[in-house]
Amino acid sequence: DLTQPPSVSVSPGQTATITCSGDKLVYKNSCWYQQKPGHSPVLIIYQDTKRPSGIPERFSGSNSGNTATLTISGTQAVDEADYYCQAWDNIVVFGGGTKLTVL
Amino acid sequence: QVQLEESGGGLVKPGGSLRLSCLASGFTFSDYYMTWVRQAPGKGLEWISYISRRSTYANYADSVRGRFTISRDNAKNSLYLQMNSLGAEDTAVYYCAREAFNDMSGYLGTDHWGQGTLVTVSS
Repeated sequence: DLTQPPSVSVSPGQTATITCSGDKLVYKNSCWYQQKPGHSPVLIIYQDTKRPSGIPERFSGSNSGNTATLTISGTQAVDEADYYCQAWDNIVVFGGGTKLTVL
Repeated sequence: QVQLEESGGGLVKPGGSLRLSCLASGFTFSDYYMTWVRQAPGKGLEWISYISRRSTYANYADSVRGRFTISRDNAKNSLYLQMNSLGAEDTAVYYCAREAFNDMSGYLGTDHWGQGTLVTVSS
């Protein structure tokens, strides 16, 4: 299981941090997805720290021990969405999701 | 560009069956693992099943094992999900998606998703 906080709030221009906890997560190639209402998820971080082409640099990831972290620097209103962590462990496991609110 | 188009969703009675299809284009289908992920209304993402490139291996979430069967036809660039013994808990949007792996570095994530097809289980 992967555990995420249900919600995170951030002011525009500030840094948002979303955590994802799971057993030995550091060994499981964590990924992060952004999903906006009515849309399919979009991969924004893979292999803990890498961004697919087209994903803004303000999105970054890290993974240490049992916790993966998604950081959004200079958060914009357009970043308001649900964020899901995911890991590969011979099956695909998703976290419960975090609703990011940009106040 | 990569496109994944699901079809086959709809309203089905409890205990019934449904078969979802996903037509892929824009990439070499047989080079990729493929997966199904679902999302119940207002809920999070739930992985359902994946299948290997040549159908030699498949895996399932415990919630659907024994009821759902994933398959693919590489000649038709198509992925399928046969769903039997459906219950209200299976009501969700079902996404077809592509899993990316690198032989050297491993798992690269679910890098492309379809728009989803809604399955509603209700009497």
